Order: sequence, then C-alpha cells, then structure tokens
Amino acid sequence: QKEVEQDPGPLSVPEGAIVSLNCTYSNSAFQYFMWYRQYSRKGPELLMYTYSSGNKEDGRFTAQVDKSSKYISLFIRDSQPSDSATYLCAMSGNNRLAFGKGNQVVVIP
Amino acid sequence: DSGVTQTPKHLITATGQRVTLRCSPRSGDLSVYWYQQSLDQGLQFLIQYYNGEERAKGNILERFSAQQFPDLHSELNLSSLELGDSALYFCASSPDGGRNTEAFFGQGTRLTVV
Repeated sequence: QKEVEQDPGPLSVPEGAIVSLNCTYSNSAFQYFMWYRQYSRKGPELLMYTYSSGNKEDGRFTAQVDKSSKYISLFIRDSQPSDSATYLCAMSGNNRLAFGKGNQVVVIP
Repeated sequence: DSGVTQTPKHLITATGQRVTLRCSPRSGDLSVYWYQQSLDQGLQFLIQYYNGEERAKGNILERFSAQQFPDLHSELNLSSLELGDSALYFCASSPDGGRNTEAFFGQGTRLTVV
C-alpha cells in the first residue's frame, strides 16, 4: 500500500459546481495535512494547511481531515475556470513529508 | 513568489552528460527537499537535507547526488544522464527538518535530455 493515495483524475466540472478531491494515507504518524495547487507544471503553491481532524475553511475552499479513517478531502465551492490546475495532497509527521500524485481539475466555463 | 529560487529554469543537455541544479531556500529555512516530476508521474521525493546534513532519502538514483552548503543553498547533481531523466526538478524548503510543517516550492528546473 502506498503511503499516500490520490486518484490522478482528471476531473472535469462545469463552472459553479463543487469540486471534491480526496486522499487516503497509511502512515499514522502524519499529523499535518496540506493541499497544494500546481498550475501548468509550475512550482506547487500551498493552498490549505490543517492540523488533526476537523474542517478548515478559507473562502471557497474547505479542507477536511478524518484521522480515524486516514482520509482527507478538499472541496472547492463555486468553482471558477481559474481553479483549473493540479491539486496535490501532502502530509507530514515524524520527519516525513509525503505527497499524493496530484489530481488534475478542469473547470469548464 | 514562494521565496525559493531555483536555477537554471531550463536546461537541455545530451545523454551521458552531467548537470548541476541549484536551489536557494527561503530565508531562515533550514531544510531543503528535492523532487522529480516526470510527465506522467506525481512528485517523486528524491532527498532531503537539514542544516547541511542528509535527513531522508527517497527514490534517488545512484547517478544522482545532492548536498547542502553552509549557506544552506543546495545543489542536485545528475550524472550519466539518460533520456528518462528528462523531467521537472523541484526544490522545496521548510523552516525546520520537515517536522510537521509545510514546505514551499521553487518554480522548478525543466531538464531535457536529448
């Protein structure tokens, strides 16, 4: 089992729809959970950062962490064409920092 | 701008050659990570340095090596290059040893081996 699993997609949605992305992980030592956004193979940029289980909201973005299920999610509300990018989950703990493969999202106007 | 600087931005070289990629971390960050991203692959972790010492090793080939200097910049050396080494190479930095904190990425070096 890979340390971090993320379905690479791609995922196409119409503008205004809710985008739902998720990752699973196997390492119980992970305590910090992140989502990165990568445009056109540029450097990934940090989008959301959460600690432990629960929800965190930032504008149209909501990150959820369920440590008991080892499952994290990112929701994008009212998606815009500018949200078209690759989204990577990442998690860290106990000196480990691991990334998912990334999920390509296309928001169609 | 993440504050992480990578040079060069693009590199084209021939098979069998050797290249060096450079990374300057954000001011104050002690840890540097190197990642490889091929066309069909996600981010593949290569190696991590913390304050000049190797901290963790991922899927780094023996033909590849890295180091972190006293001023905390890092270099990734790729030798005996093969066509399959063509990829984006990203450097990331974090304040400490990756101990539960986020990392910030540079814009990458696009390596093309012909």
